[in-house]
Amino acid sequence: GAVVSQHPSRVICKSGTSVKIECRSLDFQATTMFWYRQFPKQSLMLMATSNEGSKATYEQGVEKDKFLINHASLTLSTLTVTSAHPEDSSFYICSAADGNEQYFGPGTRLTVT
Amino acid sequence: GEDVEQSLFLSVREGDSSVINCTYTDSSSTYLYWYKQEPGAGLQLLTYIFSNMDMKQDQRLTVLLNKKDKHLSLRIADTQTGDSAIYFCALKTGGFKTIFGAGTRLFVKA
Repeated sequence: GAVVSQHPSRVICKSGTSVKIECRSLDFQATTMFWYRQFPKQSLMLMATSNEGSKATYEQGVEKDKFLINHASLTLSTLTVTSAHPEDSSFYICSAADGNEQYFGPGTRLTVT
Repeated sequence: GEDVEQSLFLSVREGDSSVINCTYTDSSSTYLYWYKQEPGAGLQLLTYIFSNMDMKQDQRLTVLLNKKDKHLSLRIADTQTGDSAIYFCALKTGGFKTIFGAGTRLFVKA
């Protein structure tokens, strides 16, 4: 089946630094990729939707200058959390769609100290 | 906007059936999903149902859809300790956007 990977799986960074998370579709081309955020014991909240080669569409309340999304190819999307703060600590999950189905990555746990 | 609601907890004994319920507000949903999330892991698609279906069975899993009442359920037969996880109901709306419920935490007691 279709596989989506994320790297890193866990990252700890200091407050004020930036962190980049990669999302790759390993065996299919993803026309659309999604980034979700999940707080402890809560559901997934969609942050943004990105199509290859175009700007991401951000959900209401998500700061586009803080959460930079790049979808440069059909197999790679990146999420950069800029000037991270402790409240950005969360579980970030990406998802890739091939036009028919949506497949989820394993998630990246970000801890900002 | 769209809303998906689930009860937060369910506890069952090993070997019993589990029924996880979900209600939603968006009647235009085309696909309705059940995902499983184990601690510290991503989401695993368990099963899905098209909006024009009433029921779908897949081994131990049975999905029931009542479109009139906007109610979706997942029944797990012969629940095992390995089924302990969080189960998310999710709906696909227009443009591939998927809306998730808050998740139901299933505890299976041996």
